[in-house]
Amino acid sequence: GQQLNQSPQSMFIQEGEDVSMNCTSSSIFNTWLWYKQDPGEGPVLLIALYKAGELTSNGRLTAQFGITRKDSFLNISASIPSDVGIYFCAGQLGSSNTGKLIFGQGTTLQVKP
Amino acid sequence: KAGVTQTPRYLIKTRGQQVTLSCSPISGHRSVSWYQQTPGQGLQFLFEYFSETQRNKGNFPGRFSGRQFSNSRSEMNVSTLELGDSALYLCASSGTGLTEAFFGQGTRLTVV
Repeated sequence: GQQLNQSPQSMFIQEGEDVSMNCTSSSIFNTWLWYKQDPGEGPVLLIALYKAGELTSNGRLTAQFGITRKDSFLNISASIPSDVGIYFCAGQLGSSNTGKLIFGQGTTLQVKP
Repeated sequence: KAGVTQTPRYLIKTRGQQVTLSCSPISGHRSVSWYQQTPGQGLQFLFEYFSETQRNKGNFPGRFSGRQFSNSRSEMNVSTLELGDSALYLCASSGTGLTEAFFGQGTRLTVV
């Protein structure tokens, strides 16, 4: 089936550092979403992107919808311990008009105080 | 506004049994999707319901089924449980015409 390649798989950084992760696909996506999941909980929506080239911020988080519509990245600036968790990208295929989302495999972020 | 509510939070079932999971979407949301999350396969789309109709279906066997009621609440059922069905089952709701999906806390199903 369709896949999103998310990288890196995991990151271990020092508090205060900036973080960058990205997702790529061979398919065109209409929408890119970024989620954060804490252990034992459901994913929480961080940022939604709807147009190619769109750059959107949510506090210390910034995400961009790639020009080719086949990729997206998420940046976290000045990381803090509560940023720890698993970050997922998700996309809706260009040919789809339903709520079906394709998810990346996740980036596990650990922050050292 | 209340979020997506899933019940129960935890379930332990025996191989061969069946199970029903419940999801109440955000008020006003008519689209409900279900996902299975496992360490090996990640988040996999099961199916989506909109206005009581299944609008899309993922690549899961027929043992996995669902339905949606007129108040948009949804249930999913898994029959003849297998050990490999052990997973976190997540429900997400979306508003009409929107892709943004809001997830519940999930139901952790363990099959023994």
